[in-house]
Amino acid sequence: AQKITQTQPGMFVQEKEAVTLDCTYDTSDPSYGLFWYKQPSSGEMIFLIYQGSYDQQNATEGRYSLNFQKARKSANLVISASQLGDSAMYFCAMREGLTNTGNQFYFGTGTSLTVIP
Amino acid sequence: GAVVSQHPSRVICKSGTSVKIECRSLDFQATTMFWYRQFPKQSLMLMATSNEGSKATYEQGVEKDKFLINHASLTLSTLTVTSAHPEDSSFYICSASRQGKQIEQYFGPGTRLTVT
Repeated sequence: AQKITQTQPGMFVQEKEAVTLDCTYDTSDPSYGLFWYKQPSSGEMIFLIYQGSYDQQNATEGRYSLNFQKARKSANLVISASQLGDSAMYFCAMREGLTNTGNQFYFGTGTSLTVIP
Repeated sequence: GAVVSQHPSRVICKSGTSVKIECRSLDFQATTMFWYRQFPKQSLMLMATSNEGSKATYEQGVEKDKFLINHASLTLSTLTVTSAHPEDSSFYICSASRQGKQIEQYFGPGTRLTVT
């Protein structure tokens, strides 16, 4: 089974509107972290937001918030007030067993977001 | 914040030659570094996990004799693509975990390899 599933290959949003990028995950480890990264055309991976499995509240970082629904195993990214510079690929990722530096990241297939002026 | 660099950022080489890509953690010690490969419009595929002072752990399907990984110090890991072929053309990204902050993973800017 896929560890991380992103079902939206491409999304469009009007500038200044909010957009939700979906992510579901699969793990039996009680200790895990969920991450969202932005990858513009330059290729660099830009960290956006992190949610730990034990965190009680949804993570927020500026215009980014993570809608964490543990029972549903979903970790959707919400971008508010979209800007043209938000156009990029967005990857959801998960890391299990957070106390071990050797544990790998699992990445979803990504969502290509295009912000329309 | 933690910074990871990669060198070179772009490289073009002829088929049959070898190419070395360096990944450095500039301001922290990285016990573990990861090497990923990314094809256009696809996700990152983990190639190997590199631990300082020991042999790298390769993912299934990744040829360890073709993709040589050396993690000689806590700040440097290298990936050497040996006898490169056009199908090895790809975007290679490294990342590093920081001692004491296992949660985070810091990515390098990537290296675009083109084999002609």
